[in-house]
Order: sequence, then structure tokens, then C-alpha cells
Amino acid sequence: EAGVVQSPRYKIIEKKQPVAFWCNPISGHNTLYWYLQNLGQGPELLIRYENEEAVDDSQLPKDRFSAERLKGVDSTLKIQPAELGDSAVYLCASSLGGRAYNEQFFGPGTRLTVL
Amino acid sequence: DAKTTQPNSMESNEEEPVHLPCNHSTISGTDYIHWYRQLPSQGPEYVIHGLTSNVNNRMASLAIAEDRKSSTLILHRATLRDAAVYYCIRLRNEKLTFGTGTRLTIIP
Repeated sequence: EAGVVQSPRYKIIEKKQPVAFWCNPISGHNTLYWYLQNLGQGPELLIRYENEEAVDDSQLPKDRFSAERLKGVDSTLKIQPAELGDSAVYLCASSLGGRAYNEQFFGPGTRLTVL
Repeated sequence: DAKTTQPNSMESNEEEPVHLPCNHSTISGTDYIHWYRQLPSQGPEYVIHGLTSNVNNRMASLAIAEDRKSSTLILHRATLRDAAVYYCIRLRNEKLTFGTGTRLTIIP
């Protein structure tokens, strides 16, 4: 069975440009997460979805970041406009919903470089 | 504060057991303890989790102190593929809050 798929794997853009990341979770997983990971740090949660609903977006910088999960499957995370400090790895994860301790499965991430 | 305390780095010889410590002195009775690891250029990978009792699975064992203020992840026989950053996480409010983890180096 395929794991969590993310694209692109790498993205280089100039500051002030928009960028979007795509995630396809494991089939049947109704919980989806987006994390940001800075160099040398652990991942930080940006947003958590239960099906189509964003149930925790408290850490998402809403002035420039947005996310959507149409039909409760694939998800897109967008940054507009990108800033130099947004250079990081953006990770998507999914899990079976219902219990907080359920194992999260992570994708390989998208490495964003903002010049 | 949902963070835990781990050594920044550890080394171990190949084919020997590894004990990775974690302190979580402010843990509450309903907080699960999770361990994930992250290999280079990959996303984190689930290792094991527990609440009160010691836990075993195919990857590792988790020993939880009786007062639950600390735990130890045990890799029974380290291989080169176990070289990674290991995160000890206290699950609170349905959220995994990662710290900086322990970078484990395996010496051939």
C-alpha cells in the first residue's frame, strides 16, 4: 500500500511569490496534518483536519498561509506571499481518526527554499 | 509546556543494545508517551507508544518509570539503519509536540 504522497519534493522560489504543496494521505485515513520543520528542529503542527474540517489551525499563520482539504482526501497548503523565513521542510501526515494516540504516517516532505 | 527532555546526541556500537532516555516530569495521568524517529531526508516514523505499562513491538521496547516522570526507549540490537533522530513526545490535547530529539549515531 502506498504511503503518504507529497509533491513537489523540492521547490525554489523568490520571496513574495506564491507556492503550493500537495498531499495525498493513506487511503482510509480521515485525519490529516500539516507540519513545518526548520533545520535542526522537530516538526511543528500547522493544521489538523478531521475529514474536511480544520479542527486545529491555531498555529497556522493565517495572514499568508491557507490550507484546504476538499472532499476529505487530498489537501493543499498554500503560502502567499512567501518570505525568506518560510524556508523549511513542509511535512504532511495522516492517521486513522478517532483516537488521539493513533500512529501518524508521514510523507517525505517538501523542501522549500525562498530566495 | 508539553515538551520533554532528551540528550542531544548519543552513540552506540552496532549490534549492541541502546537505551534512549527521556524525562517528562510534568506529565499528567492521561498523557500518552510516543516515540518517533526520523532518518535523514525522510519524514518521522512511528516507533512505539505507551501510557503506564512497559510496551514491546517489533521495533523496540518502551520502559516507563512507575511515577511516569521518565521513560526509556530500548533498541535491543542496533543496526546502522537505526541511525536517526529519536523524538520522545508527550501527547497532550490530541497534539504531538516534538522537541529537538536525540541524534543517535551507530558505530560500525
